[in-house]
Amino acid sequence: KQEVTQIPAALSVPEGENLVLNCSFTDSAIYNLQWFRQDPGKGLTSLLLIQSSQREQTSGRLNASLDKSSGRSTLYIAASQPGDSATYLCGGGSNYKLTFGKGTLLTVNP
Amino acid sequence: DADVTQTPRNRITKTGKRIMLECSQTKGHDRMYWYRQDPGLGLRLIYYSFDVKDINKGEISDGYSVSRQAQAKFSLSLESAIPNQTALYFCATSEDRFVGGYTFGSGTRLTVV
Repeated sequence: KQEVTQIPAALSVPEGENLVLNCSFTDSAIYNLQWFRQDPGKGLTSLLLIQSSQREQTSGRLNASLDKSSGRSTLYIAASQPGDSATYLCGGGSNYKLTFGKGTLLTVNP
Repeated sequence: DADVTQTPRNRITKTGKRIMLECSQTKGHDRMYWYRQDPGLGLRLIYYSFDVKDINKGEISDGYSVSRQAQAKFSLSLESAIPNQTALYFCATSEDRFVGGYTFGSGTRLTVV
């Protein structure tokens, strides 16, 4: 059974700081790993998708990596902005479903 | 129009009432899912469907039922709503083996009083 853990549960940083969010999973037989952003009470917006054969993906200030052998993925956010404040979720796709971590609540202070 | 549309967006219902949440998609994906999200518990899978004739229970299916009316439509029903079914409900779609990842709807906030 796939289990996904996200550390830290909450993170508060000053504007402009670079930061890393962590995601670990127990089953290395995943098809892909997807990072999402969720604003309070809203839906999930896909940020980055790393397919099984890939090791990283980049979009703007975001970079996500995947290391299946160690069961880890990281989301790197460069030059953080107050608008980045949200909950970030990672999901690992294996077998029939995507299994999610509980998320990291990020607050970027002006 | 959104790729995955959920209706209603918000709903308040009374204990014991039957309620249906609807999901439709224009992605052309075969796989559809229903999740619920609760504070501190994350997203949990209720039901999933790989095609119109293939419907499966997820982690927390008790008290729920689903109907896959067409490739594009997947409905979730609460036969007799209870307060602990108060949650944010999400529909999602994907291709086989998650190629292209998941696409989520905007969610339905359900409150059972």
